[in-house]
Formats: sequence, structure tokens, C-alpha cells
Amino acid sequence: EVQLLESGGGLVQPGGSLRLSCAASGFTFSSYAMSWVRQAPGKGLEWVSTFSVGGQIALYADSVKGRFTISRDTSSNKFYLQMNSLRAEDTAVYYCAKGSDTGGGYFDYWGQGTLVTVSS
Amino acid sequence: EIVLTQSPDFQSVTPKEKVTITCRASQSIGSSLHWYQQKPDQSPKLLIKYTSQSFSGVPSRFSGSGSGTDFTLTINSLEAEDAATYYCHQSSSFPFTFGPGTKVDIK
Repeated sequence: EVQLLESGGGLVQPGGSLRLSCAASGFTFSSYAMSWVRQAPGKGLEWVSTFSVGGQIALYADSVKGRFTISRDTSSNKFYLQMNSLRAEDTAVYYCAKGSDTGGGYFDYWGQGTLVTVSS
Repeated sequence: EIVLTQSPDFQSVTPKEKVTITCRASQSIGSSLHWYQQKPDQSPKLLIKYTSQSFSGVPSRFSGSGSGTDFTLTINSLEAEDAATYYCHQSSSFPFTFGPGTKVDIK
């Protein structure tokens, strides 16, 4: 059974940093693209970042480029989102999502989400 | 960036009624269009991938169609448990984008 479990959310001041983690199980982690998608309170879904199959390519939304960095540890089946220079508009529930084995594509499994609140 | 628009924004429907949600892309995306269901306080769930392929375990009353720029999600014989917000998503090119969502309420 595929499971994704996010952690690391919380309250942070503007300009601060936070690292989100996603623990994956039930599939061969390195064989799939992995993504982060966020949802501001009461709003729709916004794609944040994707790590390609094999992990050679990382892609980011313009809204987070230069501030956020994704990475992964295949030995522990964990996927990370390092968020720096946080802004109020980054406040959202952040979901870790599993992609297809061909890269990109649809998100077939999602974690339960972790809430990030950027406020002074 | 490919912009996705959905209609309607909101629909109130009686059980067993048929629901049709449309998603239009600002440029052709082939068949790289997917549909998700999100219930309150839950994470999104994949319903349909690549326009018309049902995801594992999804009830057969959910179906998708379309190509190019115009796509449709159909829910045949709506059930009370289908009350949710439905999002379309394109993976034709980065940045990936989502539609604004269609909220389906049960009368």
C-alpha cells in the first residue's frame, strides 16, 4: 500500500526557513517522480515543485524559484522541501504527491498534508 | 503557462442526477489532463488520468472525455458521497497547472 506522510510544518516568521519531509512507503521510491503541491486556506491547488524520475531534474514554480529546494534520500525513502525566505503568501497546506514512473504526469497518491503558516 | 478554466464554479445536484464539469485549456494539451476529487479536510484523490483513464478503485460512474483544449468530467447517477470539489490538472508542460475547482453540493 502506497503511503506518504508529511511532517515539518508549523508557524514561522516572514523571512524564516522551514524544511518539510515526506516519508514514502509501498513503492520503489527512486522509480517515480515526486512533487509538492500546496493549497492556501480556502483556495485551490498550486503546483510547487517536481523531482523527476531518477532525480536528475528539479523543477519549480516561478513563485518559489530561488527560495525553495527539493531533495531526496533514496536510502531512507524520504523527500524534502527546503523553504527559505518565507513570505505570508506561502501560507498553505503542503502536500507531497507521487507521480508516474514516466515522469511528470498525474499525481496518483497524496499525503495528508502539513500546514505552513508564515506570520509575525 | 497553460491556464485551465472550469465551469461551473458550483453546482447543487440531487442524488442520481448526472453531473457534467468542463475544463478548458488556454492552449492544446493533447490528452494530458487529469481529474481529482477533494472532500472537505481531505487530500485530493486521483479520479481520471490522461483524459479518460479511470484510476484504480474509482467507481465506474466517473468518466472523462475530451482532447486538445476541451475536456469533461461526468458523474453518472450522483451519490451523496460525491459531494466534493473537483479539480482538473494539466501535465502537458511545466509549470503544471490546476483549474480553480468546481464544488458539487448535494441538495
